[in-house]
Amino acid sequence: QSALTQPASVSGSLGQSITISCTGTSSDVGNYNLVSWYQQHPGKAPKFMIFEVSKRPSGVSNRFSGSKSGNTASLTISGLQAEDEADYHCCSYAGSSTPNWVFGGGTKLTVL
Amino acid sequence: EVQLVESGGGLVQPGRSLRLSCAASGFTFDDYAMHWVRQAPGKGLEWVSGISWNSDSIAYADSVKGRFTISRDNAKTSLYLQMNSLRTEDTAFYYCARGTKGELIRPFEYWGQGTLLTVSS
Repeated sequence: QSALTQPASVSGSLGQSITISCTGTSSDVGNYNLVSWYQQHPGKAPKFMIFEVSKRPSGVSNRFSGSKSGNTASLTISGLQAEDEADYHCCSYAGSSTPNWVFGGGTKLTVL
Repeated sequence: EVQLVESGGGLVQPGRSLRLSCAASGFTFDDYAMHWVRQAPGKGLEWVSGISWNSDSIAYADSVKGRFTISRDNAKTSLYLQMNSLRTEDTAFYYCARGTKGELIRPFEYWGQGTLLTVSS
């Protein structure tokens, strides 16, 4: 069982928007603005998409956005494209006591 | 171009030891924290261990504490994971990941392609 809870799957049509939730606790998501999101295509390494809840690394499309409310973080993808179909993993810093970082179980996004 | 290349995975029996390596290039290695993150086949990601830029801060997940040791050699721009007393549940792809800066509190900006460890008799 993962420390953060994500839906196992979500789907959306081309051009639509979807949101993936990531629920933690007051010890991780709720306590730090250090939530990050990673995209992973099958057989590939994860890719850094969002950090510090809502910031985008250079090169990441502005169709990807992040937010947080209380113990739940969210990733929104707008204008869905075929290449967005992938697994998405949320992650939160959990403090200096182990484990320092906790991940969600991952969400499979299907683009219809 | 940042490159992280893991090596050392393979098939090992329960109870045995193995050392993973990660060769880094394309950036100033000793400016950044480094981590090991693993993923069992078909499962989610699990943070395993992290080490700050100067090795002053080191942390482990409970699942590996006392069995795994992370280290780095800044002169060789390499990261290591010594794994002892291996268990079947350690079977996973092991990714080397670079932080955005030197402290463990920074997220994982670049990832290697991973090396597969299979623990089985």
